[in-house]
Amino acid sequence: AQSVSQHNHHVILSEAASLELGCNYSYGGTVNLFWYVQYPGQHLQLLLKYFSGDPLVKGIKGFEAEFIKSKFSFNLRKPSVQWSDTAEYFCAVARDSSASKIIFGSGTRLSIRP
Amino acid sequence: GAVVSQHPSRVICKSGTSVKIECRSLDFQATTMFWYRQFPKQSLMLMATSNEGSKATYEQGVEKDKFLINHASLTLSTLTVTSAHPEDSSFYICSAWTGPLRNTEAFFGQGTRLTVV
Repeated sequence: AQSVSQHNHHVILSEAASLELGCNYSYGGTVNLFWYVQYPGQHLQLLLKYFSGDPLVKGIKGFEAEFIKSKFSFNLRKPSVQWSDTAEYFCAVARDSSASKIIFGSGTRLSIRP
Repeated sequence: GAVVSQHPSRVICKSGTSVKIECRSLDFQATTMFWYRQFPKQSLMLMATSNEGSKATYEQGVEKDKFLINHASLTLSTLTVTSAHPEDSSFYICSAWTGPLRNTEAFFGQGTRLTVV
């Protein structure tokens, strides 16, 4: 079965620190990869997505993610975090089909110290 | 971006009663919608895939007789929690794609918080 693993449950950083959140998936076929963010009290928003092409994907708010096929990974990065980045981050995977269900990882709570 | 709207946003019901949650795609047609459940401080768990005009496809471990899904039109899917119990209390979220997978993204409703007392 398809699964998504996020190994960091809670990450605490100071402002301006660099961020990397890990994400691994287990599915051998063609996949589409996503990072979603959920700010406190708000609904899910798409940060970035990978379908094909350049494995380094740029998203909104300065986030980027790199797809490494050999490692089944899609880690999220940001060079310098801000207090406003405090949120829950979810990695997600969908199979490459016309209407595909998205499977979410367990999420990583990011807390930024001002 | 596209809008997916859920109603109600919050509902409190008595144990043993049924609750209906609506999910609407406001500015696009969605032949397929998805229903998720999110427990506090946990991830979204896919419950079922709602298909317009046909039966929903449930994930393993999800009781289809308890969580009734109806997708009567291209813009509306409903989730009915039947004979609700306190353990059904959770945050329920729906989502839909606006078009072919590669050209778009999934949009999520704002969620419905169900509390069964």
